Amino acid sequence: EPEVTQTPSHQVTQMGQEVILRCVPISNHLYFYWYRQILGQKVEFLVSFYNNEISEKSEIFDDQFSVERPDGSNFTLKIRSTKLEDSAMYFCASTERGGVGELFFGEGSRLTVL
Amino acid sequence: GDSVTQMEGPVTLSEEAFLTINCTYTATGYPSLFWYVQYPGEGLQLLLKATKADDKGSNKGFEATYRKETTSFHLEKGSVQVSDSAVYFCALIINTGGFKTIFGAGTRLFVKA
Repeated sequence: EPEVTQTPSHQVTQMGQEVILRCVPISNHLYFYWYRQILGQKVEFLVSFYNNEISEKSEIFDDQFSVERPDGSNFTLKIRSTKLEDSAMYFCASTERGGVGELFFGEGSRLTVL
Repeated sequence: GDSVTQMEGPVTLSEEAFLTINCTYTATGYPSLFWYVQYPGEGLQLLLKATKADDKGSNKGFEATYRKETTSFHLEKGSVQVSDSAVYFCALIINTGGFKTIFGAGTRLFVKA
């Protein structure tokens, strides 16, 4: 069964460092997303990406964040200068169709900022 | 703005008890509605969905009906099992040029043997 894969599963970094989280969406999917979940809290939308550009982003997704699809298979989330409050589980998701398509989530990348 | 409100947990039930997790939403237009489940240490998985008013989504014994008049999408199961212990998220998709899924805060369910 096709699945969304994410790496790393856990990353520990120092405050102020750059972090790149990687995702390989399901191959025939067209819409890609990043969500985050701070421990024990709700799942928050960060950004959606379609046709090689951002289609929607939340107020959380400020200038410290960027996304890229560098090679047609990977979908990356970069945090330029991490803050303590960036510590969370980051989930990548993809869907074949935007409106009613099921979101397929990866297992998440846990980011710990010290 | 668009939002999803679901009942606070945790909900603790004995095996074979009836489950209801309430979910209401606020949205412009006609969103599609979803329930996702997150088992311990895992990502989110789609449990069921409904795309228009009066649709009933069902899967693994769980059901939810899209009620436009009450803007609700309550999750029910007639007889829960220990293996149903997880966090359940109600969600909607809105089209604002891009597609954005908005999640409720999640309801943790504990089922005791």
